Amino acid sequence: DADVTQTPRNRITKTGKRIMLECSQTKGHDRMYWYRQDPGLGLRLIYYSFDVKDINKGEISDGYSVSRQAQAKFSLSLESAIPNQTALYFCATSDFSAGTYTGELFFGEGSRLTVL
Amino acid sequence: EDKVVQSPLSLVVHEGDTVTLNCSYEVTNFRSLLWYKQEKKAPTFLFMLTSSGIEKKSGRLSSILDKKELFSILNITATQTGDSAIYLCAVAGANSKLTFGKGITLSVRP
Repeated sequence: DADVTQTPRNRITKTGKRIMLECSQTKGHDRMYWYRQDPGLGLRLIYYSFDVKDINKGEISDGYSVSRQAQAKFSLSLESAIPNQTALYFCATSDFSAGTYTGELFFGEGSRLTVL
Repeated sequence: EDKVVQSPLSLVVHEGDTVTLNCSYEVTNFRSLLWYKQEKKAPTFLFMLTSSGIEKKSGRLSSILDKKELFSILNITATQTGDSAIYLCAVAGANSKLTFGKGITLSVRP
């Protein structure tokens, strides 16, 4: 089983619908992230969480919200989806234990969202 | 605001060629620079660089960091079609989150 699991892997929805993308991890990492990827734009950070009570906006948080239900679970919601939110979404984790943080991210397989 | 610029944005080479991928950055309180390879799914980790002038090497891939000039290069020698991918450069700064460049799309033709 994957260490970082995203569901659903693919989703097609209509404008105005509420969508939730879920992420769970078994790596025991404290830090979790949501990125979106668009062709030619690399990975852009939506939200990140350093622990259950610490959630921060990234560079493109408008139109998105998140919930850190437990150390191992981090969900991304689109309250009212719009077509320009069509993208590939990645959840990722990183480890900050014992001051050894290096920045390496461990990615889920991605969730491809299409908003019609 | 942290910034990562990769160049070129895309390139096409033939098998056996050597390629050099560039990454320059501006970041507050640099901690590390990372290279990832992305094929059809999630990015996979290649290298992490924290010190200037120390080459990291894995098979035909190598990378080096220059913290004075604020750039890194990723070299691939004797390219193969399996090297075709998007190569992502990312930098970890003071707030401990990664900033990614736009990626370099490499196509290796037989």
